[in-house]
Amino acid sequence: AQSVSQHNHHVILSEAASLELGCNYSYGGTVNLFWYVQYPGQHLQLLLKYFSGDPLVKGIKGFEAEFIKSKFSFNLRKPSVQWSDTAEYFCAVNERGDYKLSFGAGTTVTVRA
Amino acid sequence: GAVVSQHPSRVICKSGTSVKIECRSLDFQATTMFWYRQFPKKSLMLMATSNEGSKATYEQGVEKDKFLINHASLTLSTLTVTSAHPEDSSFYICSAGSGTSGGADTQYFGPGTRLTVL
Repeated sequence: AQSVSQHNHHVILSEAASLELGCNYSYGGTVNLFWYVQYPGQHLQLLLKYFSGDPLVKGIKGFEAEFIKSKFSFNLRKPSVQWSDTAEYFCAVNERGDYKLSFGAGTTVTVRA
Repeated sequence: GAVVSQHPSRVICKSGTSVKIECRSLDFQATTMFWYRQFPKKSLMLMATSNEGSKATYEQGVEKDKFLINHASLTLSTLTVTSAHPEDSSFYICSAGSGTSGGADTQYFGPGTRLTVL
């Protein structure tokens, strides 16, 4: 079974600061990797995903993530956050060919204006 | 594209009654749908995987007789919480899988249903 670890439980930043959220997974096979965001009072939205190819993936709203296979990591980054980035961020993994997702515990990001 | 809806968005019911929650994929066909519970400040817990035309697969610890899942068509799955109790109060979220046989398997999430059992 897979497990997904998100290292930061709660991150507090000021606007324009850079953001990096860590995500590691335990499955050794071929995986698909996802970052989802949940804004206050809203549903989960897909930020970005990695299936294959270039390990640096660009998503919506200026986010990107880098897949490092040797480290089993898929960290999320944004160079300059905005107040509107305040949300809960979830890393998720599934095995290639299987829809079933394993989620990390989530990281709450609070951006202060 | 890839929009998933849920109905109702919020429901309050009395203990002992049953509640049905609908999940629809609006602009794509989903052979597989998923039902999750999300507790406050917690991640999503997968309850069951729903496949069109077959029985749902429940995760360990989830009572299949309490949480009845029906996936009658490629765009609709329903979750019925039977004989609901206050401890069933939670945020229930469905998702629908969309992808190709090549492994591009992505889930799109509904907006969730807040269930409160009095």
